[in-house]
Amino acid sequence: AQSVTQLDSQVPVFEEAPVELRCNYSSSVSVYLFWYVQYPNQGLQLLLKYLSGSTLVKGINGFEAEFNKSQTSFHLRKPSVHISDTAEYFCAVSKKAAGNKLTFGGGTRVLVKP
Amino acid sequence: GAVVSQHPSRVICKSGTSVKIECRSLDFQATTMFWYRQFPKKSLMLMATSNEGSKATYEQGVEKDKFLINHASLTLSTLTVTSAHPEDSSFYICSANRWGEGDTQYFGPGTRLTVL
Repeated sequence: AQSVTQLDSQVPVFEEAPVELRCNYSSSVSVYLFWYVQYPNQGLQLLLKYLSGSTLVKGINGFEAEFNKSQTSFHLRKPSVHISDTAEYFCAVSKKAAGNKLTFGGGTRVLVKP
Repeated sequence: GAVVSQHPSRVICKSGTSVKIECRSLDFQATTMFWYRQFPKKSLMLMATSNEGSKATYEQGVEKDKFLINHASLTLSTLTVTSAHPEDSSFYICSANRWGEGDTQYFGPGTRLTVL
């Protein structure tokens, strides 16, 4: 079984400042890794994913994440946030096979202040 | 591409009634669809996994007779909450795997169910 830990439940950040959201996972098998964003009262939107290859993954809206196998981490970063980045962010993993279930972290709420 | 819709977006019903929620993949065929439940300020809890034409696989602790899932086609899955009670009030979200891209789930916008 897999588990995902998002170390920060809430991250306040000023507009145009950088932000990093931490995600650690545990699994006995190889996994795929995902970051999703959820705006209030909406579903989840895929930000980026790591399947294989380069450990630095670039996603939408200027976000990127780095897969670190030795530290079993997949931290999400953005060099300069906007007010519109205020949302809930979820890290998730699935076993490396088609149609497999996602295991989600508890989420990190990012609040961008002007 | 990879758009998933849900209908209705909000529903209010009386205790004891049944409510059906639809999940559609609009521009792709979905090999597998998933149903999640999300409590306020909480993460998503997987309820069940469904494949077209076969019975859904429910997660431990989810009552299959209460949450009926039908996956009628490669673009439509429905969740029916039977004999709803106030404790069933929640945000229900579906997701789908696109054919040939089984590693990624695309999510619908969610349905807010309130049971009075």
